[in-house]
Amino acid sequence: GAVVSQHPSWVICKSGTSVKIECRSLDFQATTMFWYRQFPKQSLMLMATSNEGSKATYEQGVEKDKFLINHASLTLSTLTVTSAHPEDSSFYICSGYVYPDQYFGAGTRLSVL
Amino acid sequence: QKEVEQNSGPLSVPEGAIASLNCTYSDRGSQSFFWYRQYSGKSPELIMFIYSNGDKEDGRFTAQLNKASQYVSLLIRDSQPSDSATYLCAVKRDQGAQKLVFGQGTRLTINP
Repeated sequence: GAVVSQHPSWVICKSGTSVKIECRSLDFQATTMFWYRQFPKQSLMLMATSNEGSKATYEQGVEKDKFLINHASLTLSTLTVTSAHPEDSSFYICSGYVYPDQYFGAGTRLSVL
Repeated sequence: QKEVEQNSGPLSVPEGAIASLNCTYSDRGSQSFFWYRQYSGKSPELIMFIYSNGDKEDGRFTAQLNKASQYVSLLIRDSQPSDSATYLCAVKRDQGAQKLVFGQGTRLTINP
């Protein structure tokens, strides 16, 4: 199956700093990538849909100026959490879409101190 | 009302028995239905998808879909301890759509 690499797998940062998470499709071209957030014991909540070469589409309630998404190539999408705060601590997961399925990265656990 | 609803569990099943996981959805226009398994601290992995009413079998797993009742289920036969995980039900509005809507997941524990 298609492989999506997500990096880093775990990051700890101080409050107020920015963190970048990378999502790469290794053996396919993903015109669309999705970014999810998952809090403990909760389900995956879609944050935004990222399309190569265009602006991301954010779900209601997700601050686009705080969660910057760049999808500059068909194999790479990045999520930058700007001015992170403890409430941003969560498990962030990306996925690349190849019809008819999404292929998930391994996830990034973000802890903001 | 949530778009996709699941009993959060935990659901405990003895090893070798059948585990039955249920999911209901609110959008009657939904066309595609997915079951994912997620181990703690890991990302989801696809188990099965189903588009048509009825049953679909794959090894020890059977997905059942009833669009009239807006209900989809997953049966796991001969449950193994390695099946212990959270099972996520996800729905797409149509087969060509890309966006998945997830339920909150059911935590399943298989007891040896």
